[in-house]
This record gives sequence, C-alpha cells and structure tokens, in this order.
Amino acid sequence: GESVGLHLPTLSVQEGDNSIINCAYSNSASDYFIWYKQESGKGPQFIIDIRSNMDKRQGQRVTVLLNKTVKHLSLQIAATQPGDSAVYFCAENRDNQGGKLIFGQGTELSVKP
Amino acid sequence: DAGITQSPRYKITETGRQVTLMCHQTWSHSYMFWYRQDLGHGLRLIYYSAAADITDKGEVPDGYVVSRSKTENFPLTLESATRSQTSVYFCASSLDRGQRGGYTFGSGTRLTVV
Repeated sequence: GESVGLHLPTLSVQEGDNSIINCAYSNSASDYFIWYKQESGKGPQFIIDIRSNMDKRQGQRVTVLLNKTVKHLSLQIAATQPGDSAVYFCAENRDNQGGKLIFGQGTELSVKP
Repeated sequence: DAGITQSPRYKITETGRQVTLMCHQTWSHSYMFWYRQDLGHGLRLIYYSAAADITDKGEVPDGYVVSRSKTENFPLTLESATRSQTSVYFCASSLDRGQRGGYTFGSGTRLTVV
C-alpha cells in the first residue's frame, strides 16, 4: 500500500546537539513533501517543504534531505534547543489525489538540557 | 493561528448525541480539511472541500457529515456520536491544493464521547 512513515517514534537529544528525524515513503510518484512541528496542545505548524526536483533544502537551523532512490527524507535540526521539543510529522502532498496531505505517525523529539 | 479558528476547544458529549465542530478561516482559502488525530494513527483525513458547496470524502468519513455553504466556514457534524469518535479534531485550510506551503491548521477541538 501507499504510506508515509517514520522510522522511530521517539528521539532524545542533548541541547546543542544536532537532531535527525527520518521518514520513508512508498509512493514513487510523490513529488512534494512537508515537515510539520506539533507542540503539545497545538495544531501542526509548517516547518519546511521540498519538491522532488530537489535533494536538499535549507531553512533557519533546519535542513530537509530527499533521497528519491530509496524513497527517504530526513529533517535535520542544528543546535537543538528546548523549544524544539515537539512531535514532528512528515507529510506527502498527493496532488494527483486532490492535493490531500498524507501524514506519517510522527516522531517525538525530546531535548535534554 | 489567528486566521483559522476552531470551536469549541473542548467538548464532552454522550453516545448517540449529535455534535457539530466549527471551523472558520479569514483568508478566503479555497481548500479546507478536517483531520482527526489519535495515538498510533497520526493525522487522518475525514473530509475536505475544494470550494464552497464542493466536498469530498477522505480516509475515515463514516459517521461524519460536512457542509460548506460559505467559503470561510467548514463545520463537521457527528450525527450520532460513538466512543470511537473520541479524538482531537483539526481543521486546516489552504489557498490552493497545498502545493505551496501545505496547509495551515487550527488549534484543534478535543472531543470526548462518554
């Protein structure tokens, strides 16, 4: 079946270290991916996106890498801070299916001071 | 986000009752969506709407009804609530089909069916 999934449900890192959150997808026709951050009691918030014609995109302290060969993407957070503690979701936008977002189950990032 | 609001924030209802969750956005976004979030299932799409008077089913539409008579509002109705519908419900909107920046989500409604 077609799915977007995350490798690990939880990730614990030390403040100041870099974090890497992984995501696998199975639909080889997928061409647009988004990372969301969800803090406790809030809705998901857009972090960064990437299209399939790119393999890397950088934002402020965040980088998304896309490997289409193995259908894998990752979110890297540099110098992780306590405020980065949240659940992170990758989502696939399937434009050929009405533009619906399909979400993975999420990875909970915990930052230790 | 101030541009998309959900109400109520919390709701407790009894099995069999009808309950409506409200969603309002101020951007005139064409697309609106309803997701439910449960432990172990992530976010699952219930219904979506491409424009006023146009709605379509998502992954888990059974037991839910939507309408969209105005662009800015997209209410979700549980016609006869069941315990399995206990969840956190998120509304989202998008200017287009989500190909530019994805969706903007509301803060959610936590619904408990007893």
